[in-house]
Parts: sequence; structure tokens; C-alpha cells
Amino acid sequence: ETGVTQSPTHLIKTRGQQVTLRCSSQSGHNTVSWYQQALGQGPQFIFQYYREEENGRGNFPPRFSGLQFPNYSSELNVNALELDDSALYLCASSFFGLQGMNTEAFFGQGTRLTVV
Amino acid sequence: QQPVQSPQAVILREGEDAVINCSSSKALYSVHWYRQKHGEAPVFLMILLKGGEQKGHEKISASFNEKKQQSSLYLTASQLSYSGTYFCGTESKNSGYALNFGKGTSLLVTP
Repeated sequence: ETGVTQSPTHLIKTRGQQVTLRCSSQSGHNTVSWYQQALGQGPQFIFQYYREEENGRGNFPPRFSGLQFPNYSSELNVNALELDDSALYLCASSFFGLQGMNTEAFFGQGTRLTVV
Repeated sequence: QQPVQSPQAVILREGEDAVINCSSSKALYSVHWYRQKHGEAPVFLMILLKGGEQKGHEKISASFNEKKQQSSLYLTASQLSYSGTYFCGTESKNSGYALNFGKGTSLLVTP
């Protein structure tokens, strides 16, 4: 077990609604990254938070936003939900060091979001 | 840019060996390997940071050829528990600290 926990585990929302997903990072880690995983695909990078600021972003629209808190936990917010947003959302906790690279990332169990 | 993994799928009998390859068109800082079982989160296997470095634990090892921007994962004397989908995640200079994952290699070990 990694020590990275996500909530909720499952969620059903209606198109157009907003959703907030939560992630607590592993002790000793200072960075949280969020990924979207569609069925049968690899995880796709959404963004990364380091020291409460966005540290990198993938090819996702601005309606995907996030926060990181002083205890390194994080939230992913998605506005104006679309049917294609249905996926497994994973957060990964890692340590971002002075050399500018991430250590190994440990994933939470994910939140399965279904948009109907 | 997404790394390319091969093969897409492989079926082994218990005790057989397998190699999974990962290649990128970009210069890489690191390669991370994960295994994901159905309905579960990806589980970290190992990270490779330097060119030509080989790492491993137990019967799973990996190599990273920085010049060729390629990594290979070696599974020897496979066990039933090795079944799952293997992903490589690559970190490159312009990736924005992201791990870019391949589409995965599905591995099934049969008795």
C-alpha cells in the first residue's frame, strides 16, 4: 500500500455539473500529479502541483483546475463536465528535488468518474 | 509525446521470460515502469535515471539506453502474479515534469 488516498472512489455526475476530487499525498512527498486514464489507455498527465503552485500542465482545457494545500494534499476540480470526461482519475505523489526531476511516483487507487 | 511500447500484448506460461520495450522520440531524463492490474492503481516497479543503467529486484529488471531513448523491462521466470498491464512513463526536458505514459503492454501468465 502506497499511503496515497483518493476520495471518493466512485462518482456519477450529470453533464454540465462540476466535480471535486481529493488526494492525500504520501508522507515525505511534496508533489502531487493528476492523471486521467480512459479505459484501455495509459494515464494522461493533467497537471502537477509543487509547493502549492502548478508546476506543469498537460493538454487539458482550463476547466480542469487544481489546488495543493500546505499539507501537500490536493484537489482536482472539473467544471462543465462532458461525457468524454468519464474516466479513472489518478493522483500520484512524488518528491520533486533540487535537480529538477521527480522521484518515483506512487499512485492512489483512483476515482472512477462517470458523466451521464 | 507518448512513448511507444511493444509488444502490445503477450501470453506466457509460468516460468517463461518476457521483454517489454519502450521507446521515445525525445531525449529522456528518466524512465519509470509500472504494473497495473485490472481495476487497481498502477504500482511502481522501478525508475531508471542514467544512460545504460540497469536496475532490478528479484526477477524483474530493466535497462535504459539514454542515447537511443529506449528502455526495456525484463521479466524472468514469470509468475502468475506478474499478469497485468505494464506501462512505461518517460520524463523529458520539455515534458513539464510530467510522466508521459505509453499505451501499455498486456501480460498474461498462465499455469
